[in-house]
Amino acid sequence: GAVVSQHPSWVICKSGTSVKIECRSLDFQATTMFWYRQFPKQSLMLMATSNEGSKATYEQGVEKDKFLINHASLTLSTLTVTSAHPEDSSFYICSASAGTDQPQHFGDGTRLSIL
Amino acid sequence: DQQVKQNSPSLSVQEGRISILNCDYTNSMFDYFLWYKKYPAEGPTFLISISSIKDKNEDGRFTVFLNKSAKHLSLHIVPSQPGDSAVYFCAAVPAGGTSYGKLTFGQGTILTVHP
Repeated sequence: GAVVSQHPSWVICKSGTSVKIECRSLDFQATTMFWYRQFPKQSLMLMATSNEGSKATYEQGVEKDKFLINHASLTLSTLTVTSAHPEDSSFYICSASAGTDQPQHFGDGTRLSIL
Repeated sequence: DQQVKQNSPSLSVQEGRISILNCDYTNSMFDYFLWYKKYPAEGPTFLISISSIKDKNEDGRFTVFLNKSAKHLSLHIVPSQPGDSAVYFCAAVPAGGTSYGKLTFGQGTILTVHP
């Protein structure tokens, strides 16, 4: 149980385009979803926390207009990297939690490469 | 500012021996700690956790020790198995938040268990 699916797993696109990443909880309802970013040889850095039906809470230094997060249902959250540039190239990973006292379950991540 | 540090980027252990993975933290507001295991191209998987009111938590081959005065925790795996080879992340959660929210991760330690 507690499976989180993230799609796509790998995407390459041209600079200036927007990229959408989906995060789905397959067998549980996720009241909270988290989006992380990981640079090579560095730790996972929390970007934002989203609760179903409300606006995401962004960590300091994360541009909310650049990284659009939508959590429209209890099983789906999306992260859209708008007008992506090479410096946005990174590994993006989501996690989902069924409640405030429940552990986070992670997706397998998305490798984003902007040319 | 790296609030959770794993100073050993890698560890190599013989099968059957003990693996000891270390983690230090600087933020005294952290009061809940978790260890995650990550295989390549997969998301982190929760292993074991410990609350700051305890100094030890054991689950099968995995034991986590917490030394609050030293702001140090360690994960012991015994006996180590080749399938344990992965990247291990420690993570911390601050007091006052949800038990599993707002994870701050260390950089990870690559464990290799040789047959």
